[in-house]
Amino acid sequence: DAGITQSPRYKITETGRQVTLMCHQTWSHSYMFWYRQDLGHGLRLIYYSAAADITDKGEVPDGYVVSRSKTENFPLTLESATRSQTSVYFCASSSPGTSIYEQYFGPGTRLTVT
Amino acid sequence: AQRVTQPEKLLSVFKGAPVELKCNYSYSGSPELFWYVQYSRQRLQLLLRHISRESIKGFTADLNKGETSFHLKKPFAQEEDSAMYYCALTNSGGYQKVTFGTGTKLQVIP
Repeated sequence: DAGITQSPRYKITETGRQVTLMCHQTWSHSYMFWYRQDLGHGLRLIYYSAAADITDKGEVPDGYVVSRSKTENFPLTLESATRSQTSVYFCASSSPGTSIYEQYFGPGTRLTVT
Repeated sequence: AQRVTQPEKLLSVFKGAPVELKCNYSYSGSPELFWYVQYSRQRLQLLLRHISRESIKGFTADLNKGETSFHLKKPFAQEEDSAMYYCALTNSGGYQKVTFGTGTKLQVIP
């Protein structure tokens, strides 16, 4: 689905560097989410946003920052990357007005921190 | 707190054999339950949800509130069913927080 995209798809960075992962959706969904996917942990919620300028912490928010100045964009920033943040990151969106609570996922960003 | 448990990390079955992917949950209210699937090199996508009582690609899942389970079943496994399966739970009102299980990798052996 071209409705939700993530960039970059792959990223290698060094410990201590700041990295921003982008997420863009074209459906005007009010809710957006960031997850990380790790073996043995499944998908864990990092941050979510109920609307523009409204964000809140999920299960594992430490070391991450988000913003949502526009409905369609939800960037995730790693302020000072650590090796433990090596993971696959998924962005998702959903809308209470459509399929009840179904989340639509982006293709993922594979981040490696060296 | 809401919690989803998928006890099997890997489930291997032969083609044509029945499949059951286990999912148990804990939630104090009235949950909405889902199964998501991730095929190799594809994005995560919704497979089915309990409120629809639907069968998708031959898979069904019944919500058992007494046993707090939502197991995914298919009578005859196909090779194309090989994928990662996640059980998920959300609250039925307000904020759409979804809690995912750790996932089960289904491997269908030809």
